[in-house]
Amino acid sequence: QQQVKQSPQSLIVQKGGISIINCAYENTAFDYFPWYQQFPGKGPALLIAIRPDVSEKKEGRFTISFNKSAKQFSLHIMDSQPGDSATYFCAARGNKLTFGTGTQLKVEL
Amino acid sequence: DGGITQSPKYLFRKEGQNVTLSCEQNLNHDAMYWYRQDPGQGLRLIYYSQIVNDFQKGDIAEGYSVSREKKESFPLTVTSAQKNPTAFYLCASGGTGWANTEAFFGQGTRLTVV
Repeated sequence: QQQVKQSPQSLIVQKGGISIINCAYENTAFDYFPWYQQFPGKGPALLIAIRPDVSEKKEGRFTISFNKSAKQFSLHIMDSQPGDSATYFCAARGNKLTFGTGTQLKVEL
Repeated sequence: DGGITQSPKYLFRKEGQNVTLSCEQNLNHDAMYWYRQDPGQGLRLIYYSQIVNDFQKGDIAEGYSVSREKKESFPLTVTSAQKNPTAFYLCASGGTGWANTEAFFGQGTRLTVV
């Protein structure tokens, strides 16, 4: 199957807190797992990505954790800021790029 | 500048008309994609192409058509057969090999049926 399941649908976090978004997949042929950030009226922008031979990747405040055996991966945003308020999509690539349904993150002061 | 360009940014269509959305990239990417985004929903794949003169249907291809005559161009036509075309349309391009995996999106075209 090509489906990617993403949760939660929406998330409210206090400034300075940790935002966690989870994704799960079924297709073991997926070979690349990116996360995208989208602001209203704009196209999604690549945030961070991981390959299945790595369990964790960190770039600044953003970390992907990848559990190959469980077929799950998650995005952690440390020290969340109001500017992080956006919609986040996980994705997985097989013969095409398949997206999760998105998480609307709001970081409150 | 290298990137992916969608035009127009806003498009209005009358009932029964076909309209074509443009997508051009100068990133030398083999793969190109069209997605549809509805409010509060994820990105749903309409069509994709991994090589010139070849393309495949995505999850919601009915009422849409595409062509890939050139590597840098992947126009999408929304036909009159598409019953609910009002949406935000996103084009993306990316590599197909292990070493070139990022997919880049255009800024989108918002189509409204009037």
